[in-house]
Formats: sequence, structure tokens, C-alpha cells
Amino acid sequence: AQSVTQLDSHVSVSEGTPVLLRCNYSSSYSPSLFWYVQHPNKGLQLLLKYTSAATLVKGINGFEAEFKKSETSFHLTKPSAHMSDAAEYFCVVSSGGYNKLIFGAGTRLAVHP
Amino acid sequence: DVKVTQSSRYLVKRTGEKVFLECVQDMDHENMFWYRQDPGLGLRLIYFSYDVKMKEKGDIPEGYSVSREKKERFSLILESASTNQTSMYLCASSPTENNEQFFGPGTRLTVL
Repeated sequence: AQSVTQLDSHVSVSEGTPVLLRCNYSSSYSPSLFWYVQHPNKGLQLLLKYTSAATLVKGINGFEAEFKKSETSFHLTKPSAHMSDAAEYFCVVSSGGYNKLIFGAGTRLAVHP
Repeated sequence: DVKVTQSSRYLVKRTGEKVFLECVQDMDHENMFWYRQDPGLGLRLIYFSYDVKMKEKGDIPEGYSVSREKKERFSLILESASTNQTSMYLCASSPTENNEQFFGPGTRLTVL
């Protein structure tokens, strides 16, 4: 069975410092992995996705994530946080047929001036 | 620009009422999904549909039903609303050829 664990429920960084949001997954086959972002009072937006091509995936707004099979991890990073990055981030794994997805519990990112 | 719309952003209903949440997508996607989002639990799949008139239970279908009479529209029905169904409800759609899902803005339902 597929599952995903986000290791931090809240992360707080200063503007201009690096961001690291951690995610571990469990999958019985080679998974597709995603990061979605949800800004306050907005719908979910896809940040990036991994589908067994390059292990380092670049997304929108300067975010990237690295797929590490040996560690079953898919951590999200950004070199320099911006105030507009404050949002909730979800790590997601595909779950078999019909394009079903399984969501992690979410990590709320706060960015301080 | 792709679009998934939901009929209401905010809804307040009373216990025992029948509630309809509507979702429409304009991307001709085959698959549509209903989730509920609760703090600390992420998104949990209620029901999904892979074709007109077809539906499958997700992880938490109890207390809900769905209807898909047209390809672009997927409705979530609460037959008799209860207070534990107070939540944010999100609709999504995806094409068959890849598993990226596109989300609507959500409906925040409060059941009193």
C-alpha cells in the first residue's frame, strides 16, 4: 500500500534563508510523487512532480525536490524563502489506477521578515 | 486556462439537511474526485468517478454519495448532514493519460 509522511507539521524560516520541507513515502512500486501548495483561501496548485525521469525535479517559484529511492524520500527545497512562499505544502504519492492520489498531512510554512 | 469551479465557497447547513455540493470542470477530463480537508489530516478521498455514471468509493465514503450524469459535472451529496461533516470540501479532475489533478477553490461547509 502507498503512504506518505510529512515529517514536520510546521516550519518557520526567515526571508532569504533556505527552505526544507521533508517527506518520506512508502510504495510497493515505482511511484509518481508530487508537491502541491495551498495559499490561504486558495485552491491547491501543483508545484512539481516526479515520474521516474530525472531524480532532481524543478518546479515553479524556484522550488525543487530530489527523489531518493534508497531513503524513500522526496524533500522539497528552495534556496531563498520569500514572504509569498508562506502557505501549506502537501507531499503526494500516486496510488494505482484511476489517477488516485494519497496526500500527506501537510506542512505549514511561515516566513518571517 | 484550465478551470475547476465549485458552486459555493461557504455554506452553512443544519443537522439533518440534505446538502448538494456541485463541481464543474471545463477540461474534458475523464476522472473527477471529491476530498475533504481537515487540519492535521491532509486531504482524504471521499469518492471518485472515472466516467459518466461511474463511481468508486474512496477512503471515507460513509455518509456521502455522488452523482455524475454529465462528464463535466460531479456532485457530492450529504443525505443527512451531521456536525462531523463540517469541513473543507475540495473537488479535482484529471485526464486519463496522466495523474496530475486540478483542484477547485473548495467549499467550506459548516453543519450546525
